[in-house]
Amino acid sequence: DAGVIQSPRHEVTEMGQEVTLRCKPISGHDYLFWYRQTMMRGLELLIYFNNNVPIDDSGMPEDRFSAKMPNASFSTLKIQPSEPRDSAVYFCASSLYPPLKVLNTEAFFGQGTRLTVV
Amino acid sequence: KQEVTQIPAALSVPEGENLVLNCSFTDSAIYNLQWFRQDPGKGLTSLLLIQSSQREQTSGRLNASLDKSSGRSTLYIAASQPGDSATYLCAVWGNNNDMRFGAGTRLTVKP
Repeated sequence: DAGVIQSPRHEVTEMGQEVTLRCKPISGHDYLFWYRQTMMRGLELLIYFNNNVPIDDSGMPEDRFSAKMPNASFSTLKIQPSEPRDSAVYFCASSLYPPLKVLNTEAFFGQGTRLTVV
Repeated sequence: KQEVTQIPAALSVPEGENLVLNCSFTDSAIYNLQWFRQDPGKGLTSLLLIQSSQREQTSGRLNASLDKSSGRSTLYIAASQPGDSATYLCAVWGNNNDMRFGAGTRLTVKP
């Protein structure tokens, strides 16, 4: 398998524009996470899905952020409108099962999308 | 909400030294703990996974231990090499099936 695939790898956009980040989890993985990484705050959990259903979106910083998982092989994280403080690296990760189901489940990360909002 | 702390924030050692990285978490009701490595500008690579019922896991020169009741884990790296230079992150799988990270330890191994 190619692993978790994120696109684009880099995105530069102007303040106020809509940004859509994309993630393709490992085939067969039921669990998907979105994280944001900054120097100041480290890796923050934004939202996670189980079987395409959002489980907890309490980490989404503002209503400007939204995430969807229309099917098992694709998820998007959208920011509308974007602001300079949204500049960060956004990671997607997937795992085969949640640990409630299989204890030794392991998470695999994509290479991230580096977002710069100017 | 689970809080994960890693100490030290940065560490610089000469090649060949054995070293220990520390991770602590506030809620001991966890499923697993996973250690990752992150190279600059790259994604996260999984190193070791310890289930809540286990005390330690080993992979090559790496050994991770877990003391769930006290909310602590350590990552031991034996005979460090310059190629070990990276940021090491611990992540805790909580009872909500979420996975939360510490801020990481930035390791530099000098030749």
